[in-house]
Amino acid sequence: GENVEQHPSTLSVQEGDSAVIKCTYSDSASNYFPWYKQELGKRPQLIIDIRSNVGEKKDQRIAVTLNKTAKHFSLHITETQPEDSAVYFCAAIFTGGGNKLTFGTGTQLKVEL
Amino acid sequence: DVKVTQSSRYLVKRTGEKVFLECVQDMDHENMFWYRQDPGLGLRLIYFSYDVKMKEKGDIPEGYSVSREKKERFSLILESASTNQTSMYLCASRNSGSLNEQYFGPGTRLTVT
Repeated sequence: GENVEQHPSTLSVQEGDSAVIKCTYSDSASNYFPWYKQELGKRPQLIIDIRSNVGEKKDQRIAVTLNKTAKHFSLHITETQPEDSAVYFCAAIFTGGGNKLTFGTGTQLKVEL
Repeated sequence: DVKVTQSSRYLVKRTGEKVFLECVQDMDHENMFWYRQDPGLGLRLIYFSYDVKMKEKGDIPEGYSVSREKKERFSLILESASTNQTSMYLCASRNSGSLNEQYFGPGTRLTVT
């Protein structure tokens, strides 16, 4: 069935270091992979997404890579700052399920001073 | 700017009560979704709707029902609340098509005692 696995569940980095969060998906027909950031007490908000026709997308300190063959995608945050501390969710569209998103279980990122 | 609003931020109900959670979006989106968010389990889909009066079960529909009488409003109903339904409930909306951003509401923290 539809499944998105996300690792790690928690990640602690020093300010200025890089952080990487990885996800794998099960539906080879998936064509849209968004990443959401949820700060404490707030709603999830889209920070970056990638379509299946590209392998990488970058927006300032955030980048996402996609490997369709291996069915995995990753979020890369460089030069981390305290305000990057949040829960990050990956997701994938499952085309056979009526175009609904299936989410990973989330990664709690903590950026330490 | 898309707005997704939910009727309550915090709600406390007793076991056995009927509970209504309301969600309204102002962007004429066709698709609306209800998720529950629990620590370590991510965002799990309860029900979704592609159009007025249309509903589909998500991954965890047991104990819930929904209503979509108008395009902008999607209601989640707990027919007889139980303590294991204590959770954060998030509504979301999105335009049809697989590549469109999904927007979340602020969430309702429901406690069933």
